[in-house]
Amino acid sequence: KQEVTQIPAALSVPEGENLVLNCSFTDSAIYNLQWFRQDPGKGLTSLLLIQSSQREQTSGRLNASLDKSSGRSTLYIAASQPGDSATYLCASGNNDMRFGAGTRLTVKP
Amino acid sequence: DTGVSQDPRHKITKRGQNVTFRCDPISEHNRLYWYRQTLGQGPEFLTYFQNEAQLEKSRLLSDRFSAERPKGSFSTLEIQRTEQGDSAMYLCASSFSSLYGYTFGSGTRLTVV
Repeated sequence: KQEVTQIPAALSVPEGENLVLNCSFTDSAIYNLQWFRQDPGKGLTSLLLIQSSQREQTSGRLNASLDKSSGRSTLYIAASQPGDSATYLCASGNNDMRFGAGTRLTVKP
Repeated sequence: DTGVSQDPRHKITKRGQNVTFRCDPISEHNRLYWYRQTLGQGPEFLTYFQNEAQLEKSRLLSDRFSAERPKGSFSTLEIQRTEQGDSAMYLCASSFSSLYGYTFGSGTRLTVV
């Protein structure tokens, strides 16, 4: 069974900083790794999807990488803004994606 | 197409009552997933359907939980004899295939009093 771990659990940074969120998973035989954002009390919004054959994906200020051999993915956020404050979740797996507990990000003005 | 829809958004029920939630996936998506999320935790997998077939169920899905997806379209998740520990956000997601990632609905927040 896939297990997903996210570090750190919480992160607070001043506005404008670049930051990296980490995700590790136990089963490298995955189809996808997907990063989501969740605002308090809301559902999940997909940010980036990295398919098994890919190594990274980029969208605006976000870049996600995937290293299947080491069982790791990182989400890089450039020039952070207060509006980036949310919980970031990674999920990995095949037909039943498993989630980490998330990193709660606070960007201070 | 407006994405994945879940109804109701919020449900407050008394312990021991039965509740049913509905999920309408994106129309061309043949896979549908249910997750449960408690405060401060990531979503936990409950079950998934490919078309109308329920292909996997988590051990979290006790005998009091049942999910259906008649005709491979919308899905319902029923909880019988609710307990306070059932209080959580119930999330539904759909996908076109396992290669294309999940799209989530806004969730149904259940409070058992």
